Amino acid sequence: AQSVAQPEDQVNVAEGNPLTVKCTYSVSGNPYLFWYVQYPNRGLQFLLKYITGDNLVKGSYGFEAEFNKSQTSFHLKKPSALVSDSALYFCAVSSMYSGGGADGLTFGKGTHLIIQP
Amino acid sequence: KAGVTQTPRYLIKTRGQQVTLSCSPISGHRSVSWYQQTPGQGLQFLFEYFSETQRNKGNFPGRFSGRQFSNSRSEMNVSTLELGDSALYLCASSLAPLTGVSYEQYFGPGTRLTVT
Repeated sequence: AQSVAQPEDQVNVAEGNPLTVKCTYSVSGNPYLFWYVQYPNRGLQFLLKYITGDNLVKGSYGFEAEFNKSQTSFHLKKPSALVSDSALYFCAVSSMYSGGGADGLTFGKGTHLIIQP
Repeated sequence: KAGVTQTPRYLIKTRGQQVTLSCSPISGHRSVSWYQQTPGQGLQFLFEYFSETQRNKGNFPGRFSGRQFSNSRSEMNVSTLELGDSALYLCASSLAPLTGVSYEQYFGPGTRLTVT
């Protein structure tokens, strides 16, 4: 079965500093990796995905993520944090060998990102 | 292009009642999935529909059911509500089914269900 781990429940960063939200995964075959963001009382918004190709993926709102196959990681990064980046971030994994349903796309527990002015 | 819409946005029900939630996917999307989100359990997959067929179901009791119509709109129903059913119910649509998925899902704003 595939799985996602987001080891930090909360990450605190000062505005203007770089931020990293960590994600590691386990899956059969080559992974498809996603990051979503959720603002209070809203649904999840797609940020970026890695399917194949360049290990550094650029997404919405200045976010990027680095795929590291040897470390089975897909950390979310941003060079300079904004207060408006404060939200709940979810990492998700799938692969071409995934089944359907919950095994098709597995989400991590989420990481609260708090950007302090 | 309009996003995923869910109605109603907020709902308060009493234990033992039943409830129906509605989801309209992005135009052209034929896969609709439902998730339950709670602070303790996080995002939990309920079921997925594609072309009016339920393809997969998560580990939820039979009180939770759903269906999809020919226009890809979907409804989920919860019968005999329990206090523990209080949650944010999210609907997500995608171009393709979740099997071997590489397409991203697009989520609606959710329906906040409170059971008293």
